[in-house]
Amino acid sequence: DAGITQSPRHKVTETGTPVTLRCHQTENHRYMYWYRQDPGHGLRLIHYSYGVKDTDKGEVSDGYSVSRSKTEDFLLTLESATSSQTSVYFCAISESGGGREPQHFGDGTRLSIL
Amino acid sequence: SQQGEEDPQALSIQEGENATMNCSYKTSINNLQWYRQNSGRGLVHLILIRSNEREKHSGRLRVTLDTSKKSSSLLITASRAADTASYFCARRATQGGSEKLVFGKGTKLTVNP
Repeated sequence: DAGITQSPRHKVTETGTPVTLRCHQTENHRYMYWYRQDPGHGLRLIHYSYGVKDTDKGEVSDGYSVSRSKTEDFLLTLESATSSQTSVYFCAISESGGGREPQHFGDGTRLSIL
Repeated sequence: SQQGEEDPQALSIQEGENATMNCSYKTSINNLQWYRQNSGRGLVHLILIRSNEREKHSGRLRVTLDTSKKSSSLLITASRAADTASYFCARRATQGGSEKLVFGKGTKLTVNP
């Protein structure tokens, strides 16, 4: 399995609080991604990174920010969590971008916002 | 929608039977990928097939691609209970001016022992 660790694995928090999810990789891959998975919607891209300090928006980026200060770490922040952000969040990595190569996924963070 | 669309949404079979899942898409591709997701886990890449390929095999898995019909299928032969999972197709698509991998909503496969 690709060395991808997501933390925390589960989190319950209240509306309006800030939340940060962490993705750590040991593969030295250039590209890192954050997705959310919801019933009826499949997997949707939130943000991605193509290098240290280089990030871009995905399909559902509103309400989320990201940072990548080191190759191995990619953080997803919900500045003020809302109930609509209750979801399972997946981090993925790949050597190249643009869907040219397979992506490798972590086991997800289940986030509940009450 | 730029998503691939899997069909059927759910499939239940007996151990030893073959399982076929289909994926349709609307615009041209240069590759199509299949992933598996076990309950409570992340997606695992199975096979990548490029637009100039018609068929690829990996163990008990066979993927076909018909670019004229804009469709792909994943066949699992001699299924096992351990094959129970959701299966997703994904393809490159242009979103926001750049190319990304876009996933379908998946087929949930149940293999009964």
